[in-house]
Amino acid sequence: KAGVTQTPRYLIKTRGQQVTLSCSPISGHRSVSWYQQTPGQGLQFLFEYFSETQRNKGNFPGRFSGRQFSNSRSEMNVSTLELGDSALYLCASSPATRGAATNEKLFFGSGTQLSVL
Amino acid sequence: AQTVTQSQPEMSVQEAETVTLSCTYDTSESNYYLFWYKQPPSRQMILVIRQEAYKQQNATENRFSVNFQKAAKSFSLKISDSQLGDTAMYFCAFTDSGGSNYKLTFGKGTLLTVNP
Repeated sequence: KAGVTQTPRYLIKTRGQQVTLSCSPISGHRSVSWYQQTPGQGLQFLFEYFSETQRNKGNFPGRFSGRQFSNSRSEMNVSTLELGDSALYLCASSPATRGAATNEKLFFGSGTQLSVL
Repeated sequence: AQTVTQSQPEMSVQEAETVTLSCTYDTSESNYYLFWYKQPPSRQMILVIRQEAYKQQNATENRFSVNFQKAAKSFSLKISDSQLGDTAMYFCAFTDSGGSNYKLTFGKGTLLTVNP
């Protein structure tokens, strides 16, 4: 079974641009969540999607958005990029077979490294 | 708000020896889950071990075990017989059972280097 796939692996953008990152979960997984990892702030939860609906959202500005498609693939978008958005963006998927409150494992991808110049 | 603290930014250990990584957390919840994740240079986060707060018994996975002290809000990871492949960043993480398991709060991490 293929793991969680994130594309692209690396991305360079300039301030003010927007960017879209893609995440393909493990086949059969219905939940996709996103995390931002920076040296200063560490790992921070962005949002989580299940069956095309956003169920949880972290404390990020509205410039950060996402969506999930019917095949569970997910994209996140950052508009009007700022230098501080430079980070590793990690996606994780989970089977979510038992609804919202579970203790299922999260399977992470290798991330997209975004650099904003 | 829940917080997770890892007080050791870096640690090193000789191959085949034992090392313990520390983690403390703060929460007002009575039931929750704690995790240790490993992030090697490949950047992929890998679950090492998981502990449910209502279980008294400490979790064990092969060479990895935890010392869970609920009253002290402490959750340390012990790695026995350290191997070169254990070199990685280790993150302690928390989620409460009342919400979604997908919203993890992470510590800042401990960089572990295993020396030959």
